[in-house]
Amino acid sequence: EAGVAQSPRYKIIEKRQSVAFWCNPISGHATLYWYQQILGQGPKLLIQFQNNGVVDDSQLPKDRFSAERLKGVDSTLKIQPAKLEDSAVYLCASQMASEQFFGPGTRLTVL
Amino acid sequence: AQSVAQPEDQVNVAEGNPLTVKCTYSVSGNPYLFWYVQYPNRGLQFLLKYITGDNLVKGSYGFEAEFNKSQTSFHLKKPSALVSDSALYFCAVRDVGTGGFKTIFGAGTRLFVKA
Repeated sequence: EAGVAQSPRYKIIEKRQSVAFWCNPISGHATLYWYQQILGQGPKLLIQFQNNGVVDDSQLPKDRFSAERLKGVDSTLKIQPAKLEDSAVYLCASQMASEQFFGPGTRLTVL
Repeated sequence: AQSVAQPEDQVNVAEGNPLTVKCTYSVSGNPYLFWYVQYPNRGLQFLLKYITGDNLVKGSYGFEAEFNKSQTSFHLKKPSALVSDSALYFCAVRDVGTGGFKTIFGAGTRLFVKA
């Protein structure tokens, strides 16, 4: 079974630039999450989708972050414009039953 | 509000010795509890979970965890540590009693196993 795919694996941008991350969940998993993991901290939920609908985006900084999951499969997370404090690993996870399966993450560095 | 605490930033243990990584939680309803492991430049890997039933849960790679409701703890244990167990370990909790879906992660505990 293929796992959760994410791209790119690494991204370096300057502040105020825009960036987008892509996630392809495990086939058949209806629930998809985006997490932000800052160095030295645990993952923090940004947004949760159930199929193509948003379940929880209470911790998503909506002035600069946006996410979509068209057709209920792949998802993209965008940051526009980026700030220095956005430097982190962005993890995508999909869920079957109670277990979440994580992708390898995208490491973002904002200079 | 739900929360999870991992009181130790780092745990050091010699290979072959038993290891314990501590986790305590706070929820208003019933908890689902999880342990994940993260190796460098990798995503989180699921180790084990407690949903209901037996308080002692066995998971991957010889790890186990004990759910203790009175102490609101879910410590991760392994009888004999391996050098390859060295990694970052995260405890997580989901409060299902309130009908919520959000999983809250602890800050992580770095485990060093010395040969």
